[in-house]
Amino acid sequence: AQKITQTQPGMFVQEKEAVTLDCTYDTSDQSYGLFWYKQPSSGEMIFLIYQGSYDEQNATEGRYSLNFQKARKSANLVISASQLGDSAMYFCAMRESNGNTPLVFGKGTRLSVIA
Amino acid sequence: DAGITQSPRHKVTETGTPVTLRCHQTENHRYMYWYRQDPGHGLRLIHYSYGVKDTDKGEVSDGYSVSRSKTEDFLLTLESATSSQTSVYFCAISESGLPAEQYFGPGTRLTVT
Repeated sequence: AQKITQTQPGMFVQEKEAVTLDCTYDTSDQSYGLFWYKQPSSGEMIFLIYQGSYDEQNATEGRYSLNFQKARKSANLVISASQLGDSAMYFCAMRESNGNTPLVFGKGTRLSVIA
Repeated sequence: DAGITQSPRHKVTETGTPVTLRCHQTENHRYMYWYRQDPGHGLRLIHYSYGVKDTDKGEVSDGYSVSRSKTEDFLLTLESATSSQTSVYFCAISESGLPAEQYFGPGTRLTVT
């Protein structure tokens, strides 16, 4: 069974608008972590934001925020005030068992920001 | 930036030949990982290591072997390369536990003809 599901293969957003990238996950662990990575066309993997399963507040990092809904098992990434440089692939990932397992990735969402 | 390098960065090889990819870290992290990235599949785990000489299989381990004789080096070997192993290979490192993130190397583009 797929542990991380990203249902949007591709999305478009107008520059300066906000966009939400969806991520749902499946785990029976109580302690796990959720991560978002960005992969620009240059190919490197860039860590964006982290949310722990016990964190009560939604994580935020600059223009990135994570809309964490534990009961729904969703961890959507919100990018505010989109910029042309935000055009990239975005991957949602999870580490289970209190972090002692490798990251499991979703298939990614390609975001294109339009001027 | 985490000190993690991969070599070679690009390689073209023929079907049936052995290939070894190297991952080197200067961070002294316990965990090291090999992923492959293919269009439509995201990143899939091949093998990982949780210490010197301690390794385990991932989701797509068939046709691959690994070795870790030193903390800083993690080798991925394709014993007999096939065209289905054409991919971009990423090495990653991390500490154990949460919220430790995984730091990724720059990737190796491998083409098997």
